[in-house]
Amino acid sequence: QKEVEQNSGPLSVPEGAIASLNCTYSDRGSQSFFWYRQYSGKSPELIMSIYSNGDKEDGRFTAQLNKASQYVSLLIRDSQPSDSATYLCAVNPRNYGGSQGNLIFGKGTKLSVKP
Amino acid sequence: DGGITQSPKYLFRKEGQNVTLSCEQNLNHDAMYWYRQDPGQGLRLIYYSHIVNDFQKGDIAEGYSVSREKKESFPLTVTSAQKNPTAFYLCASSRDRYYEQYFGPGTRLTVT
Repeated sequence: QKEVEQNSGPLSVPEGAIASLNCTYSDRGSQSFFWYRQYSGKSPELIMSIYSNGDKEDGRFTAQLNKASQYVSLLIRDSQPSDSATYLCAVNPRNYGGSQGNLIFGKGTKLSVKP
Repeated sequence: DGGITQSPKYLFRKEGQNVTLSCEQNLNHDAMYWYRQDPGQGLRLIYYSHIVNDFQKGDIAEGYSVSREKKESFPLTVTSAQKNPTAFYLCASSRDRYYEQYFGPGTRLTVT
């Protein structure tokens, strides 16, 4: 059973701090990794994609991937109250052939940024 | 404007009635998906379609049905056989099964 694990939180950080969200996955052959942000009552929104080991930065967001350790993380610098949301990690296990290969989503980490 | 539309945003039905949720995309994506999300819970895959005229059951398909007759449309029917249909239903699409998924705004279904 392929799994994606996240700490459910809530993770509480003060405004201006760095929020660090972590995700581990079980399928060593996974090829692509995504972070989604979901505000309460809304649908998930894609915020970061990462495909190779290392860091990928986009504005205040940095995604980090370590395939050897099977984890992917999301750092949010200068956290704002508007960043308060649930963050979903998604992994593509990439089964070649067959009808699988769909993204597997973690259950999400709830982030609260306090003013 | 490219995107995914779901209608209606809110839907109320009486127990025992079938109801169809609409999902349309103009992104020219091959793959489409239906998820269910319950309060405080993660996403659960109901059905998916990697190509037009083909679809597969996801993890919780019982009580649901779909069709994929057109590339841009993937309607979901919640039948009276679904024991607990009240939930937030999300449709998503992707270029193909290996790429990122984009979500529609969702339909909140309440059955009483």
